[in-house]
Amino acid sequence: QQQVKQSPQSLIVQKGGISIINCAYENTAFDYFPWYQQFPGKGPALLIAIRPDVSEKKEGRFTISFNKSAKQFSLHIMDSQPGDSATYFCAASSEYNFNKFYFGSGTKLNVKP
Amino acid sequence: DVKVTQSSRYLVKRTGEKVFLECVQDMDHENMFWYRQDPGLGLRLIYFSYDVKMKEKGDIPEGYSVSREKKERFSLILESASTNQTSMYLCASSPYRPQGGNTEAFFGQGTRLTVV
Repeated sequence: QQQVKQSPQSLIVQKGGISIINCAYENTAFDYFPWYQQFPGKGPALLIAIRPDVSEKKEGRFTISFNKSAKQFSLHIMDSQPGDSATYFCAASSEYNFNKFYFGSGTKLNVKP
Repeated sequence: DVKVTQSSRYLVKRTGEKVFLECVQDMDHENMFWYRQDPGLGLRLIYFSYDVKMKEKGDIPEGYSVSREKKERFSLILESASTNQTSMYLCASSPYRPQGGNTEAFFGQGTRLTVV
């Protein structure tokens, strides 16, 4: 049973468009929600992260929106670029469980020029 | 820069072989992880270690074991490789997260294992 559910599995967006990836979780002990970006042939790398005490975090073109009551969070990529084409993973961890990271199933984003 | 190094990028092993995947990190991180990556399933946690000689099972530990004799090294062992263990294996490390603080998992480049 996957602890973090992610959708969609794949996404095609035109250059300049907005990419939106959604995640949901059940375990209310989760207290840290990072997003990872993975390019082909590479390991995932941290993109942006949020804690549940804020509803939004923005870093450049990347924004996490967090809805604690719905137990959902999403990644928005504004002005999407072909260089953003990658696989994105949401994740969650809890300081009460050794900070193990549980990952979603991944979203393969393709930004068309 | 944090570096997590996996000993092999590609491995081909025969069914029934005992397989060792090695991972070394150079940042004195307490936590180390082994994940398996399969299309449509994301990253699934196999085993986790929070200290030397300490280990915890993840979501899919069956058929695997681990060893952490030194802080910087975390080994994944496939006791008797099977074709359903053909996958991409990713090692990661992270520092201990202080209460209320943040942390980050640093990943190696992965080992693509094929069991024939």
